[in-house]
Amino acid sequence: RKEVEQDPGPFNVPEGATVAFNCTYSNSASQSFFWYRQDCRKEPKLLMSVYSSGNEDGRFTAQLNRASQYISLLIRDSKLSDSATYLCVVSSYNFNKFYFGSGTKLNVKP
Amino acid sequence: DTEVTQTPKHLVMGMTNKKSLKCEQHMGHRAMYWYKQKAKKPPELMFVYSYEKLSINESVPSRFSPECPNSSLLNLHLHALQPEDSALYLCASSQEGTDTQYFGPGTRLTVL
Repeated sequence: RKEVEQDPGPFNVPEGATVAFNCTYSNSASQSFFWYRQDCRKEPKLLMSVYSSGNEDGRFTAQLNRASQYISLLIRDSKLSDSATYLCVVSSYNFNKFYFGSGTKLNVKP
Repeated sequence: DTEVTQTPKHLVMGMTNKKSLKCEQHMGHRAMYWYKQKAKKPPELMFVYSYEKLSINESVPSRFSPECPNSSLLNLHLHALQPEDSALYLCASSQEGTDTQYFGPGTRLTVL
């Protein structure tokens, strides 16, 4: 079983739409959770860390559900510039190791 | 400043060449990572250095040889690579094992 699983998509949405991605993780000891954004042929860039209390940054909201072992990312009012691959990343406390989901591709259309 | 730099940006090498990739960060991070990423796939961990010591080697072939000369620098020495080693090689750093990872822009490697 993979450590982190994501729906690869693609999610094709019109501008202005709200879109949500989920990601599940298998290790209940996981401590840190992140969403990264990766544009084509570029490096992953941190979008946001995910906390148990949830966090919001403008149009982006991330949630963590430890009981069900999943994290989510909600994007409101999608922009063309949001088109990218969104990577779910999970790390365990005891190791310098980060586990990546396969990424979810988002295409925002005019 | 959350910058990780990598050189070169692009590298083309033959299967008999020896080359090195370089990575540098000045954020005081004590963990540094090498990842390999193929097209349409997530980054795949290769090596982790923690406090300048190799802590994780994900069974990487010996034709890849990492080196951490000091806490700010990370090298990846390449020798006798295969065409299937062509990929984007990403360096990253983090403060501790569970803190945020910051990635460099990567070196796009082509092996002929």
